[in-house]
Amino acid sequence: DAKTTQPPSMDCAEGRAANLPCNHSTISGNEYVYWYRQIHSQGPQYIIHGLKNNETNEMASLIITEDRKSSTLILPHATLRDTAVYYCIALRTGNQFYFGTGTSLTVIP
Amino acid sequence: DTGVSQNPRHKITKRGQNVTFRCDPISEHNRLYWYRQTLGQGPEFLTYFQNEAQLEKSRLLSDRFSAERPKGSFSTLEIQRTEQGDSAMYLCASSPQTGVKETQYFGPGTRLLVL
Repeated sequence: DAKTTQPPSMDCAEGRAANLPCNHSTISGNEYVYWYRQIHSQGPQYIIHGLKNNETNEMASLIITEDRKSSTLILPHATLRDTAVYYCIALRTGNQFYFGTGTSLTVIP
Repeated sequence: DTGVSQNPRHKITKRGQNVTFRCDPISEHNRLYWYRQTLGQGPEFLTYFQNEAQLEKSRLLSDRFSAERPKGSFSTLEIQRTEQGDSAMYLCASSPQTGVKETQYFGPGTRLLVL
């Protein structure tokens, strides 16, 4: 069973913030939340990860709820190059990531 | 470029042939992973190495699949007697850490088409 739930697709206007939600209600206390994205025909690209606190880097911000059952990835100013499939990962069996099917984000000009 | 590299990037083969893919991880990354990705799906874990030791291989799809990392640096993934269902993108990733907090860095993948 998938341990994360993401909407299959989202649209966002260019220049606006893209907010991508993820539910991970069964996450365990020591599991990190990772976000990757995959642009068509390329390998997945690491974006950000976090445990409890909100995180920000040059690519995005990650907001994790206090109960850690969900998180939101924020791309503050979406560009056309942000069009990709975004994967939220909160289940790692051993050292293997479980990707699920992700959210296909389309940035619209 | 100091990222993960994979060769070849594309491979077309006939059913029944053997194929081998190579992955060169980021220098000094001690963990190396192989994933398979079919159309419309996320990457699916196959196997991983810590240095030269293959620590998990139960997820390899069949006994036709095998992987090696003989000197703890590059790795190869071999598929014997390929079938049309093996057509997919094969991804390699490497990571420097161990334990719960672990960031994997992916290569560009090898796209296999079995005719």
